[in-house]
Amino acid sequence: QKEVEQNSGPLSVPEGAIASLNCTYSDRGSQSFFWYRQYSGKSPELIMFIYSNGDKEDGRFTAQLNKASQYVSLLIRDSQPSDSATYLCAVTLDSSYKLIFGSGTRLLVRP
Amino acid sequence: KAGVTQTPRYLIKTRGQQVTLSCSPISGHRSVSWYQQTPGQGLQFLFEYFSETQRNKGNFPGRFSGRQFSNSRSEMNVSTLELGDSALYLCASSLQGDPDGYTFGSGTRLTVV
Repeated sequence: QKEVEQNSGPLSVPEGAIASLNCTYSDRGSQSFFWYRQYSGKSPELIMFIYSNGDKEDGRFTAQLNKASQYVSLLIRDSQPSDSATYLCAVTLDSSYKLIFGSGTRLLVRP
Repeated sequence: KAGVTQTPRYLIKTRGQQVTLSCSPISGHRSVSWYQQTPGQGLQFLFEYFSETQRNKGNFPGRFSGRQFSNSRSEMNVSTLELGDSALYLCASSLQGDPDGYTFGSGTRLTVV
Protein backbone atom coordinates (compact mmCIF):
# COMPACT_ATOMS: atom_id res chain seq x y z
CA GLN A 1 0.00 0.00 0.00
CA LYS A 2 1.33 3.39 -0.98
CA GLU A 3 1.68 5.89 1.83
CA VAL A 4 -0.33 8.55 0.01
CA GLU A 5 -3.05 7.52 -2.43
CA GLN A 6 -4.84 9.59 -5.01
CA ASN A 7 -7.14 8.68 -7.86
CA SER A 8 -5.15 9.34 -11.02
CA GLY A 9 -8.19 10.63 -12.91
CA PRO A 10 -8.72 12.41 -15.10
CA LEU A 11 -11.42 14.18 -13.16
CA SER A 12 -13.46 16.13 -15.68
CA VAL A 13 -15.72 18.98 -14.54
CA PRO A 14 -17.46 21.75 -16.45
CA GLU A 15 -16.33 25.34 -16.08
CA GLY A 16 -17.87 26.96 -13.01
CA ALA A 17 -18.41 23.68 -11.17
CA ILE A 18 -16.83 22.53 -7.93
CA ALA A 19 -13.94 20.12 -8.36
CA SER A 20 -13.36 17.76 -5.46
CA LEU A 21 -9.97 16.08 -5.18
CA ASN A 22 -9.32 13.42 -2.57
CA CYS A 23 -6.27 11.92 -0.95
CA THR A 24 -5.83 9.22 1.70
CA TYR A 25 -2.73 8.50 3.71
CA SER A 26 -1.67 5.43 5.60
CA ASP A 27 0.56 6.71 8.40
CA ARG A 28 -1.31 8.07 11.40
CA GLY A 29 1.88 9.92 12.33
CA SER A 30 1.44 12.23 9.35
CA GLN A 31 1.55 15.76 10.62
CA SER A 32 1.32 18.24 7.78
CA PHE A 33 -0.66 18.07 4.57
CA PHE A 34 -0.07 19.89 1.34
CA TRP A 35 -1.72 20.38 -2.01
CA TYR A 36 0.42 21.22 -5.01
CA ARG A 37 -0.60 22.01 -8.55
CA GLN A 38 1.62 20.97 -11.42
CA TYR A 39 1.05 22.04 -14.99
CA SER A 40 2.44 19.80 -17.69
CA GLY A 41 6.18 20.36 -18.06
CA LYS A 42 6.35 22.68 -15.06
CA SER A 43 7.42 22.32 -11.47
CA PRO A 44 4.92 21.91 -8.62
CA GLU A 45 3.54 25.02 -6.97
CA LEU A 46 2.05 25.06 -3.51
CA ILE A 47 -1.67 25.79 -3.34
CA MET A 48 -2.43 25.17 0.32
CA PHE A 49 -1.24 23.42 3.43
CA ILE A 50 -3.25 22.30 6.44
CA TYR A 51 -2.20 20.99 9.82
CA SER A 52 -5.39 20.68 11.88
CA ASN A 53 -8.65 18.85 11.43
CA GLY A 54 -11.31 20.84 9.68
CA ASP A 55 -11.46 23.21 6.76
CA LYS A 56 -9.08 25.87 5.57
CA GLU A 57 -10.14 28.28 2.87
CA ASP A 58 -8.05 30.43 0.56
CA GLY A 59 -9.92 32.14 -2.23
CA ARG A 60 -11.53 29.53 -4.45
CA PHE A 61 -9.68 26.70 -2.70
CA THR A 62 -10.70 24.82 0.44
CA ALA A 63 -8.61 22.10 2.03
CA GLN A 64 -10.34 19.65 4.34
CA LEU A 65 -8.53 17.38 6.77
CA ASN A 66 -9.98 14.44 8.67
CA LYS A 67 -7.25 12.73 10.67
CA ALA A 68 -9.58 10.07 12.11
CA SER A 69 -10.43 8.88 8.60
CA GLN A 70 -6.95 9.68 7.29
CA TYR A 71 -8.02 11.71 4.34
CA VAL A 72 -7.46 15.18 3.05
CA SER A 73 -9.36 16.80 0.22
CA LEU A 74 -9.17 19.89 -1.92
CA LEU A 75 -12.24 21.67 -3.23
CA ILE A 76 -11.92 24.11 -6.09
CA ARG A 77 -14.96 26.36 -6.47
CA ASP A 78 -15.89 28.05 -9.74
CA SER A 79 -13.42 25.87 -11.63
CA GLN A 80 -11.71 27.52 -14.59
CA PRO A 81 -10.03 25.94 -17.62
CA SER A 82 -6.77 27.37 -16.25
CA ASP A 83 -7.21 25.04 -13.25
CA SER A 84 -6.62 22.07 -15.56
CA ALA A 85 -3.48 20.48 -14.15
CA THR A 86 -2.28 17.62 -12.00
CA TYR A 87 -2.94 18.07 -8.30
CA LEU A 88 -0.49 16.46 -5.94
CA CYS A 89 -1.23 15.63 -2.35
CA ALA A 90 1.76 15.41 0.00
CA VAL A 91 2.29 14.73 3.68
CA THR A 92 5.13 14.96 6.16
CA LEU A 93 5.72 12.37 8.85
CA ASP A 94 6.56 13.28 12.45
CA SER A 95 8.88 16.27 12.47
CA SER A 96 10.69 15.37 9.28
CA TYR A 97 10.80 17.90 6.48
CA LYS A 98 10.55 15.08 3.94
CA LEU A 99 7.48 15.34 1.73
CA ILE A 100 5.77 12.12 0.68
CA PHE A 101 3.75 12.67 -2.46
CA GLY A 102 0.79 10.90 -3.94
CA SER A 103 0.84 10.13 -7.63
CA GLY A 104 -1.48 13.02 -8.42
CA THR A 105 -4.96 13.52 -9.84
CA ARG A 106 -5.30 15.04 -13.27
CA LEU A 107 -8.07 17.63 -13.38
CA LEU A 108 -9.66 18.70 -16.64
CA VAL A 109 -11.99 21.69 -16.59
CA ARG A 110 -14.15 21.78 -19.73
CA PRO A 111 -15.06 25.25 -21.10
CA LYS B 1 13.65 38.36 -6.32
CA ALA B 2 15.40 35.61 -8.25
CA GLY B 3 13.85 32.17 -7.99
CA VAL B 4 15.45 28.78 -7.59
CA THR B 5 17.84 28.08 -10.44
CA GLN B 6 18.60 24.58 -11.59
CA THR B 7 21.23 23.80 -14.17
CA PRO B 8 21.38 22.32 -16.65
CA ARG B 9 17.73 22.16 -17.78
CA TYR B 10 18.27 19.12 -19.96
CA LEU B 11 20.90 16.43 -19.96
CA ILE B 12 21.47 13.25 -21.94
CA LYS B 13 23.89 10.72 -20.52
CA THR B 14 24.93 7.17 -21.31
CA ARG B 15 24.49 4.24 -18.94
CA GLY B 16 27.43 3.90 -16.61
CA GLN B 17 28.35 7.57 -16.70
CA GLN B 18 27.97 9.94 -13.80
CA VAL B 19 26.18 13.27 -13.66
CA THR B 20 26.16 16.34 -11.44
CA LEU B 21 23.15 18.62 -11.15
CA SER B 22 23.18 22.04 -9.57
CA CYS B 23 20.62 24.01 -7.58
CA SER B 24 20.99 27.63 -6.53
CA PRO B 25 18.40 28.54 -3.90
CA ILE B 26 16.64 31.80 -3.31
CA SER B 27 18.91 34.26 -1.55
CA GLY B 28 18.66 33.76 2.20
CA HIS B 29 17.29 30.23 1.97
CA ARG B 30 19.47 27.77 3.82
CA SER B 31 17.67 24.54 3.02
CA VAL B 32 17.71 22.69 -0.27
CA SER B 33 15.69 19.52 -0.84
CA TRP B 34 15.97 17.27 -3.86
CA TYR B 35 13.20 15.19 -5.42
CA GLN B 36 13.05 12.77 -8.32
CA GLN B 37 9.93 12.69 -10.48
CA THR B 38 9.19 9.78 -12.81
CA PRO B 39 5.92 8.72 -14.47
CA GLY B 40 5.97 5.40 -12.62
CA GLN B 41 7.00 6.44 -9.12
CA GLY B 42 5.89 10.04 -9.03
CA LEU B 43 7.74 12.52 -6.86
CA GLN B 44 10.15 10.93 -4.41
CA PHE B 45 12.31 12.61 -1.80
CA LEU B 46 16.05 12.19 -2.30
CA PHE B 47 17.67 14.28 0.43
CA GLU B 48 17.66 17.60 2.22
CA TYR B 49 20.59 19.82 3.08
CA PHE B 50 20.64 22.58 5.64
CA SER B 51 23.70 24.69 6.39
CA GLU B 52 25.96 22.29 4.51
CA THR B 53 24.71 19.22 6.43
CA GLN B 54 22.54 16.43 5.12
CA ARG B 55 19.61 16.43 7.47
CA ASN B 56 17.25 13.94 5.82
CA LYS B 57 17.69 11.18 3.30
CA GLY B 58 15.22 9.21 1.21
CA ASN B 59 15.34 5.58 0.15
CA PHE B 60 17.68 5.80 -2.79
CA PRO B 61 20.84 3.78 -3.40
CA GLY B 62 24.25 5.14 -2.51
CA ARG B 63 24.81 6.07 -6.16
CA PHE B 64 22.80 9.17 -5.36
CA SER B 65 24.68 11.71 -3.31
CA GLY B 66 24.68 15.40 -2.72
CA ARG B 67 26.32 18.25 -0.98
CA GLN B 68 25.73 21.84 -0.07
CA PHE B 69 28.20 24.67 -0.15
CA SER B 70 28.63 27.57 2.23
CA ASN B 71 26.61 29.83 -0.09
CA SER B 72 23.71 27.31 0.16
CA ARG B 73 24.07 26.18 -3.43
CA SER B 74 23.62 22.44 -3.67
CA GLU B 75 24.71 19.76 -6.06
CA MET B 76 23.53 16.23 -6.47
CA ASN B 77 25.54 13.52 -8.11
CA VAL B 78 24.42 10.24 -9.61
CA SER B 79 27.14 7.74 -10.38
CA THR B 80 26.98 4.67 -12.61
CA LEU B 81 23.81 5.85 -14.31
CA GLU B 82 21.05 3.37 -15.08
CA LEU B 83 18.20 3.70 -17.54
CA GLY B 84 15.81 3.96 -14.61
CA ASP B 85 17.51 7.14 -13.44
CA SER B 86 15.87 8.99 -16.32
CA ALA B 87 13.67 11.50 -14.57
CA LEU B 88 12.95 15.10 -13.78
CA TYR B 89 15.09 16.15 -10.83
CA LEU B 90 13.63 18.98 -8.83
CA CYS B 91 15.12 20.96 -6.03
CA ALA B 92 13.19 23.08 -3.58
CA SER B 93 14.65 25.78 -1.41
CA SER B 94 13.24 27.16 1.83
CA LEU B 95 14.39 29.20 4.77
CA GLN B 96 14.58 26.41 7.32
CA GLY B 97 13.43 23.30 5.44
CA ASP B 98 9.70 23.51 6.14
CA PRO B 99 7.72 22.47 3.06
CA ASP B 100 5.16 25.23 3.52
CA GLY B 101 7.96 27.56 2.51
CA TYR B 102 9.18 25.53 -0.47
CA THR B 103 9.92 27.11 -3.80
CA PHE B 104 10.68 24.56 -6.48
CA GLY B 105 13.11 25.13 -9.29
CA SER B 106 12.22 24.36 -12.89
CA GLY B 107 14.03 21.05 -12.71
CA THR B 108 16.68 19.19 -14.68
CA ARG B 109 15.40 16.63 -17.16
CA LEU B 110 17.89 13.76 -17.22
CA THR B 111 17.69 11.16 -19.95
CA VAL B 112 19.89 8.07 -19.70
CA VAL B 113 20.42 6.16 -22.94
